[in-house]
Amino acid sequence: ETGVTQTPRHLVMGMTNKKSLKCEQHLGHNAMYWYKQSAKKPLELMFVYNFKEQTENNSVPSRFSPECPNSSHLFLHLHTLQPEDSALYLCASSQRRDRIEKLFFGSGTQLSVL
Amino acid sequence: KQEVTQIPAALSVPEGENLVLNCSFTDSAIYNLQWFRQDPGKGLTSLLLIQSSQREQTSGRLNASLDKSSGRSTLYIAASQPGDSATYLCAVRPNYGGSQGNLIFGKGTKLSVKP
Repeated sequence: ETGVTQTPRHLVMGMTNKKSLKCEQHLGHNAMYWYKQSAKKPLELMFVYNFKEQTENNSVPSRFSPECPNSSHLFLHLHTLQPEDSALYLCASSQRRDRIEKLFFGSGTQLSVL
Repeated sequence: KQEVTQIPAALSVPEGENLVLNCSFTDSAIYNLQWFRQDPGKGLTSLLLIQSSQREQTSGRLNASLDKSSGRSTLYIAASQPGDSATYLCAVRPNYGGSQGNLIFGKGTKLSVKP
């Protein structure tokens, strides 16, 4: 148990659905991250939040919409996804974005888009 | 542009063997390097973090080394066990003129330790 909890663990959705991924951390961290892990590819950073403010968006399509209501919670809202968006979506947290030592990862949400 | 390469992509060894996983990176301007473990369908667990000024870090049966000038790191696992079976990922944190970049990951080495 890393202190970072992601729900749901598995999600199957059609291309016209709208769904949300949730991440919660109990570590008192102030920075949270969304990563995408596709088969045969390195982890790709999607979004970074530092003290609830989005500091980075790595050219992610607008069909992915992040939300960070407070330092402990992070959401990824999904709509009109494509089959190539099927992947493991990982949430991570760290003490601060500008003083990063270790990242703590959740177990991920395995997403399948039909 | 920083790139991280891990060789081999997959490795299968009998239980009890000592083994070495390799990681190389193209730009030596880094803050630190981390090794992670990932079990199937799970998140990443940080194993060892080596600062750019350090040569190695040890934790139990794991030893990670860093040669920044040559852009290489190795993860040494002693007396391997079936429970060590997982994918091992290497990641570097770039140093952009004093600013910390985001972690850049390799594709990982999938290790299988046979009983």
